[in-house]
Amino acid sequence: AQKVTQAQTEISVVEKEDVTLDCVYETRDTTYYLFWYKQPPSGELVFLIRRNSFDEQNEISGRYSWNFQKSTSSFNFTITASQVVDSAVYFCALVTTGTASKLTFGTGTRLQVTL
Amino acid sequence: SQTIHQWPATLVQPVGSPLSLECTVEGTSNPNLYWYRQAAGRGLQLLFYSVGIGQISSEVPQNLSASRPQDRQFILSSKKLLLSDSGFYLCAWSKVFNEKLFFGSGTQLSVL
Repeated sequence: AQKVTQAQTEISVVEKEDVTLDCVYETRDTTYYLFWYKQPPSGELVFLIRRNSFDEQNEISGRYSWNFQKSTSSFNFTITASQVVDSAVYFCALVTTGTASKLTFGTGTRLQVTL
Repeated sequence: SQTIHQWPATLVQPVGSPLSLECTVEGTSNPNLYWYRQAAGRGLQLLFYSVGIGQISSEVPQNLSASRPQDRQFILSSKKLLLSDSGFYLCAWSKVFNEKLFFGSGTQLSVL
């Protein structure tokens, strides 16, 4: 069975603070992909990043960065210098490959950025 | 470019009434299609997915059904809505099964 845990239900920060959203996953498969999606108040989920299980390089995209560590089964997401527009629910997801492919979402972390 | 359309945006229906939510994808062929429900607690629950016309897989037994009458059209239906069917319904598509989903704008369904 596979599982994605986002232990942080809600996080509140003041604008310009850095914030890290945690994601811990469980799977027995050796080949899998990890994702982060953003759900702003409008409701539509927006794809942010995909990382495969063989690529542990950290990635930076503007103010966003992702830290993938297989040793701890974590795929954490950091927003640097947060802005009010970052306020959203963020979902981490795991998909295994092959004919029994299964996509599992975490329960999400609601991030509130205030002035 | 590919786009996904989902309607209506909001819907208020009485208990026992039928339901039909429609989703269409443009700009791609043979997409994988999905229906998710997001209850008040924010978690995403996969309801149905389809890898081709007429091929529907159900993840959770319930009084909902799905159909794919055309390659890029996915419909979520119910003959008789229950109070517990209230929620936010999201349609999504992907080129590769279960990878990089693109979501529609969702339908907020309230069953009263």
